[in-house]
Amino acid sequence: GAGVSQTPSNKVTEKGKYVELRCDPISGHTALYWYRQSLGQGPEFLIYFQGTGAADDSGLPNDRFFAVRPEGSVSTLKIQRTERGDSAVYLCASSLGVSGDFFSYNEQFFGPGTRLTVL
Amino acid sequence: AQSVTQLDSHVSVSEGTPVLLRCNYSSSYSPSLFWYVQHPNKGLQLLLKYTSAATLVKGINGFEAEFKKSETSFHLTKPSAHMSDAAEYFCVVSSGGSYIPTFGRGTSLIVHP
Repeated sequence: GAGVSQTPSNKVTEKGKYVELRCDPISGHTALYWYRQSLGQGPEFLIYFQGTGAADDSGLPNDRFFAVRPEGSVSTLKIQRTERGDSAVYLCASSLGVSGDFFSYNEQFFGPGTRLTVL
Repeated sequence: AQSVTQLDSHVSVSEGTPVLLRCNYSSSYSPSLFWYVQHPNKGLQLLLKYTSAATLVKGINGFEAEFKKSETSFHLTKPSAHMSDAAEYFCVVSSGGSYIPTFGRGTSLIVHP
C-alpha cells in the first residue's frame, strides 16, 4: 500500500516568497505531524493534527508558519515571507492516533520529506 | 521536560562486528523511548520502542535496546553489522503520555566491508 507522500521533494525559493508544502498521509490515519530537520540535527516537532484540528502547534517557530488539514487527510504547511533560516527538510508523519497517548502507542510513518532551500 | 543525548555523532564498524549506538535521556516522567533509522532519501522508520514493558526490547533487522533507568540510558545494539545497516539513527523520547517527541541529533553508522 501507499505510504506517506510529500510534494514537492525539493523546493527552491527566494527570500520573502511564500511556499506551500503538501503531505498526503496513509489512508485512515487520523493523526498527522509536521517536523523540521536542519542539517546535522534530528527532526524538530512543529505541529500535530488529530483529524482536522491542530491539537498542538507549539512547535511552530513564529507566525509566518501555518498548517491546515481541512478534510482530515491531506495537510499543507504554509510559510510566508520565507527567510534563509527556513532552509531545512520538512518531514511529515502520520499514525492511527486512535488512543490518547498518540506518540507512544501509535507508530508514526514518515514521508521522505521536502527539502526547502531559501536563497 | 525531556531531552535526549546521542553520545556519538559517527560510529564506524566493520561488517560482521558488533554495533553499539549510545543514547542517554532525561525525563520528568516515565519515558517512552524509541530508535528510528533514516536511510538516504528515505523516510524515518521505527526500529524499536520501549513503553514500560520489558526492559530489553527487540526490534527489526536484528537490533535491540535495553532500558536502564539507573543509568538513564537506552543504547542500541546489534551483534553483527551488515552493509545495509549504514544509515542515520535517531534516539527519541516521549514522556508523561506526551504526543510530542524529542529527537536526538542522530548517529551516523558507517559500515566498512
